[in-house]
Amino acid sequence: EIVMTQSPATLSVSPGERATLSCRASQSISSNLAWYQQKPGQAPRLLIYGASTRATGIPARFSGSGSGTEFTLTISSLQSEDFAVYYCQQYNNWPPWTFGQGTKVEIK
Amino acid sequence: QVQLVESGGGLVKPGGSLRLSCEASGYTFSDYYMSWIRQAPGKGLEWVSYIDRSSDYTNYADAVKGRFTISRDNAKNSLFLQMNSLRVEDTALYYCARVSGYCSGGSCYPGEWGQGTLVTVTS
Repeated sequence: EIVMTQSPATLSVSPGERATLSCRASQSISSNLAWYQQKPGQAPRLLIYGASTRATGIPARFSGSGSGTEFTLTISSLQSEDFAVYYCQQYNNWPPWTFGQGTKVEIK
Repeated sequence: QVQLVESGGGLVKPGGSLRLSCEASGYTFSDYYMSWIRQAPGKGLEWVSYIDRSSDYTNYADAVKGRFTISRDNAKNSLFLQMNSLRVEDTALYYCARVSGYCSGGSCYPGEWGQGTLVTVTS
């Protein structure tokens, strides 16, 4: 089973600043990585798939990069609605799909 | 637009059973793989099971294998999860998800998610 490790656990950022979230896979997953956003009391929402392709309706301030074992989600200028928990998920070697433990982006 | 509405959660004693349902609308249900994913209170996401378009192929997380059964009724646009021999550690919000991507080619992931149904296993 592939283990996904996200860092940091919590990221404190001021509105308008850039946020950079990291995700590492325990072995190469090519570009088979997705990112999800989850706000309190809501279901996860797909942001990025294929490591760098934005899902339908996702604003351009969200971007994904990386391949192999190292991946990054960047939010270029944080808006108030972006404060949430973000999860990465691999779908290269499945089953099982595996998720990272999440990064909470909070207001500084 | 795509809507997924789960139901069937509740309070159950260890060893008990529950059947979750997910009603889909806004797309052709039979064209997509479907999956269940759960989230224990205050914890992260854990994949539970998925099923292909025609119910020919299913798969389960080791934690639920032999206890849970996924199924679907394409005529009724519905997905199900029969949960038997429930344990305290099965307590979670259970999400139904439509699978996006190209599963036949091995490259697919949860796309749209429902709002979840809460299962609480306690004595």
